[in-house]
Amino acid sequence: EVHLVESGGGLVQPGGSLRLSCAASGVSVSDSYMNWVRQAPGKGLDWVSVIYAGGTTHHADSVKGRFIISRDNSNNTLHLQMNSLRAEDTAVYHCTRGLGDGMDVWGQGTTVTVSS
Amino acid sequence: DIQMTQSPSSLSASVGDRVTITCRASQSVTSYLNWYQQKPGKVPKLLIFAATNLQRGVPSRFSGSGSGTDFILTISSLQPEDFATYFCQQSYTTLLTFGPGTRVDMK
Repeated sequence: EVHLVESGGGLVQPGGSLRLSCAASGVSVSDSYMNWVRQAPGKGLDWVSVIYAGGTTHHADSVKGRFIISRDNSNNTLHLQMNSLRAEDTAVYHCTRGLGDGMDVWGQGTTVTVSS
Repeated sequence: DIQMTQSPSSLSASVGDRVTITCRASQSVTSYLNWYQQKPGKVPKLLIFAATNLQRGVPSRFSGSGSGTDFILTISSLQPEDFATYFCQQSYTTLLTFGPGTRVDMK
């Protein structure tokens, strides 16, 4: 069974940085395409970043130049480095596995709060 | 980016009702359209992928149709466990986008 467990969230001041991690089991992060999706309190789903099996990455326009998705194959872990954080980045951040066209496995998420 | 809209934004229905939710893309996404269900306090669950394909384990009362820019999620006979919010998502472009969601609550 596939499990994804996120960590690294917390309270950070505007302009600060955080690094999120997603530990995977039952799946190799290097064999799948993996995403970060966020959900602000009471709001909808907002796709953030993807890393494909071949290593290509893409980021939403709202985070481009500030966030970087990466993976550690040896530890089977996905990361999201978030810099220059803004209040509007406040959300629960989920890592997901992409399978074919959809995201079939979601982690429970880690909460990021950007506030002074 | 491709913009996704959904209608209605919310609806009230009763157990046994047939429910339809519409998703529209700002440009063609061919059949690269997925549907998710999210219950309060839970993570989203993939229901339908590639517009019409039922994800393993999802009850057959859920179905998807459409292609191009217009898509429909149908629940043939609403069950108590189906009260939730439903999101569509396009995977046609590398920059993925979700619809704003449709909340289905009890009449």
